[in-house]
Amino acid sequence: DTAVSQTPKYLVTQMGNDKSIKCEQNLGHDTMYWYKQDSKKFLKIMFSYNNKELIINETVPNRFSPKSPDKAHLNLHINSLELGDSAVYFCASSQDIVVGGNEQFFGPGTRLTVL
Amino acid sequence: AQSVSQHNHHVILSEAASLELGCNYSYGGTVNLFWYVQYPGQHLQLLLKYFSGDPLVKGIKGFEAEFIKSKFSFNLRKPSVQWSDTAEYFCAVSLGQNFVFGPGTRLSVLP
Repeated sequence: DTAVSQTPKYLVTQMGNDKSIKCEQNLGHDTMYWYKQDSKKFLKIMFSYNNKELIINETVPNRFSPKSPDKAHLNLHINSLELGDSAVYFCASSQDIVVGGNEQFFGPGTRLTVL
Repeated sequence: AQSVSQHNHHVILSEAASLELGCNYSYGGTVNLFWYVQYPGQHLQLLLKYFSGDPLVKGIKGFEAEFIKSKFSFNLRKPSVQWSDTAEYFCAVSLGQNFVFGPGTRLSVLP
């Protein structure tokens, strides 16, 4: 059983296109995240949603828009893709901070390549 | 600014050598501490975590880490590495809603 799943695993697209990445977790967690991992493996948090509400929104271009239809899903839509958006995007989820200490459970990642 | 630092960018060891990867954080409050591992081409997996209690925590695959509050450190150790330990290792700190990763240390183990 996949705990945190993402689709697609690979995404190759042209500059200027709009694309979406989907994420689902079946762990019953309340909080979900999107991270960007660049070519140097540096992990940067982009967004965090708790029970469908945005709680963390780091300095990310407004071309990136997260959408959480329910607490088990957090999708990432990217408009007008640029070369610099090429990276691996990881979805993650976490349980309650008190019980789980905010431990992050990661999806398999989506490798986005913008040509 | 709050941050997590890892001492080494790239560590190269031979099999059976001992490993210690350094991690320091700059938060003053109560934190939860984690080490994650990312094998080549894979996602991040939890190695171990510290919330409270015994500052020496044991994780999977023979890894352990020691929390030293006075030094704001959470170093990762393994007495004898294997080729299969080749991976990227990330220290992370959770403070409230914030979850911050260090820059990562790449470990290469030579057979």
